[in-house]
Amino acid sequence: EAGVAQSPRYKIIEKRQSVAFWCNPISGHATLYWYQQILGQGPKLLIQFQNNGVVDDSQLPKDRFSAERLKGVDSTLKIQPAKLEDSAVYLCASSLVRDIQYFGAGTRLSVL
Amino acid sequence: GENVEQHPSTLSVQEGDSAVIKCTYSDSASNYFPWYKQELGKRPQLIIDIRSNVGEKKDQRIAVTLNKTAKHFSLHITETQPEDSAVYFCAPGAGSYQLTFGKGTKLSVIP
Repeated sequence: EAGVAQSPRYKIIEKRQSVAFWCNPISGHATLYWYQQILGQGPKLLIQFQNNGVVDDSQLPKDRFSAERLKGVDSTLKIQPAKLEDSAVYLCASSLVRDIQYFGAGTRLSVL
Repeated sequence: GENVEQHPSTLSVQEGDSAVIKCTYSDSASNYFPWYKQELGKRPQLIIDIRSNVGEKKDQRIAVTLNKTAKHFSLHITETQPEDSAVYFCAPGAGSYQLTFGKGTKLSVIP
């Protein structure tokens, strides 16, 4: 069974630039999550999708972050404009409804 | 929202000894209690989980115990090996299984 795919693996940008991350969940998983993991901390949930609807985006900084999951499969997370404090690993996870979450390898973002 | 605390933040044990990590949470609605292991530069991986109708679960050298009354659950690793060295996160969840991760415990197993 293929796992959660994320790209790119690494991204370096200047502050105030924009960046986008892509996630392809495990086939059949209706629920998709985006987490932000700052170095030395646990992952923090940014947004949760159920199919193509948003379940929770209460911790998403909506002035600069946006996410979509068109057709209920792939998802993209965008940051515009990026700040220095956005440097982190962005993890995507997927699950069946109310079940174990499986994580992708993440995208490591460095904002200079 | 859920407040999650893990103790200790770092733990060093000799190979073959046992390790115990405790997680306390605040939301009484939490009903799912997983532990994730994250090796350096890798993705978090589920190593064991327990649901609120069970008090203890064991899988070979790893066990999780739950005390819902006191709102804490613990990870127990016996006969530790160098490959157990990693950061361990508890992540209690409720309802739609939104997880709130603790800050992590860095376990070092000394050969």
